[in-house]
Amino acid sequence: AQTVTQSQPEMSVQEAETVTLSCTYDTSESNYYLFWYKQPPSRQMILVIRQEAYKQQNATENRFSVNFQKAAKSFSLKISDSQLGDTAMYFCAFMNPGNQFYFGTGTSLTVIP
Amino acid sequence: DSGVTQTPKHLITATGQRVTLRCSPRSGDLSVYWYQQSLDQGLQFLIQYYNGEERAKGNILERFSAQQFPDLHSELNLSSLELGDSALYFCASSVSGGGGEKLFFGSGTQLSVL
Repeated sequence: AQTVTQSQPEMSVQEAETVTLSCTYDTSESNYYLFWYKQPPSRQMILVIRQEAYKQQNATENRFSVNFQKAAKSFSLKISDSQLGDTAMYFCAFMNPGNQFYFGTGTSLTVIP
Repeated sequence: DSGVTQTPKHLITATGQRVTLRCSPRSGDLSVYWYQQSLDQGLQFLIQYYNGEERAKGNILERFSAQQFPDLHSELNLSSLELGDSALYFCASSVSGGGGEKLFFGSGTQLSVL
């Protein structure tokens, strides 16, 4: 079975600074998808960024980028120019070819003004 | 607003009871996913449907069942409820349910089993 590990339960960052959230996963699949989801206090789940395992280029979405290391099974999220609205729980997720999702336990990020 | 509608928003019931959660996907989306978020189990994928057919199954208990109807809305049925079933249940939808597609989540149904 696939597992997703987020080793940082809580993190904080100063507004306008950069922060990196870690995620590792375990799988024997060669083709899969990885995601970062954000869950603000409203509890709405919002897709931040996604990465296809067969693409070597790291995905970027405005201030959000990933460092995807397939051999190391690592998928970290970098948030640049942190904003107060980035305060949320962030979940790393893995999707296998069978469309089954596995989530990490989440990292609670607080942006400090 | 994601366009995915879940009802009810809150549900309080007793152990041993049965409840039905409803999800209406975004207009045009054919695939529906169900997730459970609880304090002890975290976020778990339960099941996916595509155009009325089950496509993928996760950690869904035998006491739970789901279906997707011809109008594409979906229902998640939870029976013989236990205290541990208290959780936030999310529905999400996507266009075709293909790998890596963007999912649009509803606001969730908060289930409290007393």
